[in-house]
Amino acid sequence: EAGVAQSPRYKIIEKRQSVAFWCNPISGHATLYWYQQILGQGPKLLIQFQNNGVVDDSQLPKDRFSAERLKGVDSTLKIQPAKLEDSAVYLCASSLDWGALNTEAFFGQGTRLTVV
Amino acid sequence: GEDVEQSLFLSVREGDSSVINCTYTDSSSTYLYWYKQEPGAGLQLLTYIFSNMDMKQDQRLTVLLNKKDKHLSLRIADTQTGDSAIYFCAESSKAAGNKLTFGGGTRVLVKP
Repeated sequence: EAGVAQSPRYKIIEKRQSVAFWCNPISGHATLYWYQQILGQGPKLLIQFQNNGVVDDSQLPKDRFSAERLKGVDSTLKIQPAKLEDSAVYLCASSLDWGALNTEAFFGQGTRLTVV
Repeated sequence: GEDVEQSLFLSVREGDSSVINCTYTDSSSTYLYWYKQEPGAGLQLLTYIFSNMDMKQDQRLTVLLNKKDKHLSLRIADTQTGDSAIYFCAESSKAAGNKLTFGGGTRVLVKP
C-alpha cells in the first residue's frame, strides 16, 4: 500500500515570497490533516479536511495560509506571503474517517521549508 | 484547551530499559499514542492505548496509563541503538474530531 506522498521535500524561499506544498493521501482515506512542526517542537494541527470539507481550521493563520482539497483527494497548502517564523516542516497525514472510534493517522515525510 | 507535556531528553545505556513520561490535560481524551521520529523521517506510530485501559504490552513496548493523574508512560525494554530518536506522546478525542495533539517530544539517546 502506498503511503502519504508529499512534495517537494525541501524548499528555500525569501520572506514575502509565496510557496505551495502538495499532498496525496492514502487511497480511500477520507480525512486529511496538515501539521506544522517547528524545529524542537511537536507537530501542531493547521487544518483538517473530511473529504473536501473543512472540519477544523482554528489554528490556521488565515491572513497568509490557505489550503484546499477540491476533489476530496489531493490537497495543497499555500503560504502567501511567507515570514521567517514559517520555517518548519509541514507534515501531511491521512486517516480513513475521523468519525470512527479509532482512526490511525499515517504521516508523509514532510516538506522542510526554510524562509530566509 | 488540550495540552501535552513531556520531558526533553533521556539518555540510556544499550540493553537497559527506557521510560518516557507524558502528562496531558484533556479529560475527554479517547486514545493516547506514542510516535517515533527519526532524523529526516516522518512520524511512525509505535503504539496506542484506549483511555479505558491501564496497560498495553507490544513486544518490547509497554504503555502505562494513569487516567486519574492523566499520566502516560512508554517503557522500552532492552533498548537498542536503533531506538535513538525523538518520541512524541499524543492524544485525541472524538469530540475534537480525532485530531492529534502532540507533546514537544523526548529525545532519547542510546549509548553503546
